Amino acid sequence: AQSVTQPDIHITVSEGASLELRCNYSYGATPYLFWYVQSPGQGLQLLLKYFSGDTLVQGIKGFEAEFKRSQSSFNLRKPSVHWSDAAEYFCAVGAGGATNKLIFGTGTLLAVQP
Amino acid sequence: EAGVAQSPRYKIIEKRQSVAFWCNPISGHATLYWYQQILGQGPKLLIQFQNNGVVDDSQLPKDRFSAERLKGVDSTLKIQPAKLEDSAVYLCASSLLTTGELFFGEGSRLTVL
Repeated sequence: AQSVTQPDIHITVSEGASLELRCNYSYGATPYLFWYVQSPGQGLQLLLKYFSGDTLVQGIKGFEAEFKRSQSSFNLRKPSVHWSDAAEYFCAVGAGGATNKLIFGTGTLLAVQP
Repeated sequence: EAGVAQSPRYKIIEKRQSVAFWCNPISGHATLYWYQQILGQGPKLLIQFQNNGVVDDSQLPKDRFSAERLKGVDSTLKIQPAKLEDSAVYLCASSLLTTGELFFGEGSRLTVL
């Protein structure tokens, strides 16, 4: 069965520091992978997605993620975090095909220290 | 372009009462989804519509949850009777295609006492 694991429930970084949020997935075929961000009281916003091709994908707000098939990972990175990046981040895998059913991880809550 | 609209934003009810949530997707989006997000967990798909037909409702607790999408536009999710464990944020999302990007509404937060 498909699943997504985000091992870090909560991460605190200093403003200006680099960030890496971990995501591991379980899926038999080539997965569709997504990162979403959710600010308090808001819906989820898509940061980036991987369907195929280049394994390093660029997203909005300066985020990028790298698909590593050998490690079943899709980690999210940002070289310099801004205070406005404080939010909850969700990794998701999609079955694709005729449906777009997303299976989400449990999320990583990011706090940014001044 | 207007986003996905949901109402009400907040609802508090007692167990065994009923509640309904409404969603208006982005204009032209054929696919509509209802997700349940329990505190501390990621969103879980409850039901997916393609136009006014159900594509996937395998995780919808059909003994108490129901959803409809009349005329392939707006959708309503109903819970009757509500249980304490139904306390969650109910997120509606829509996409242009079945494999396209999902756009989420701000959600409806339900508290069952």
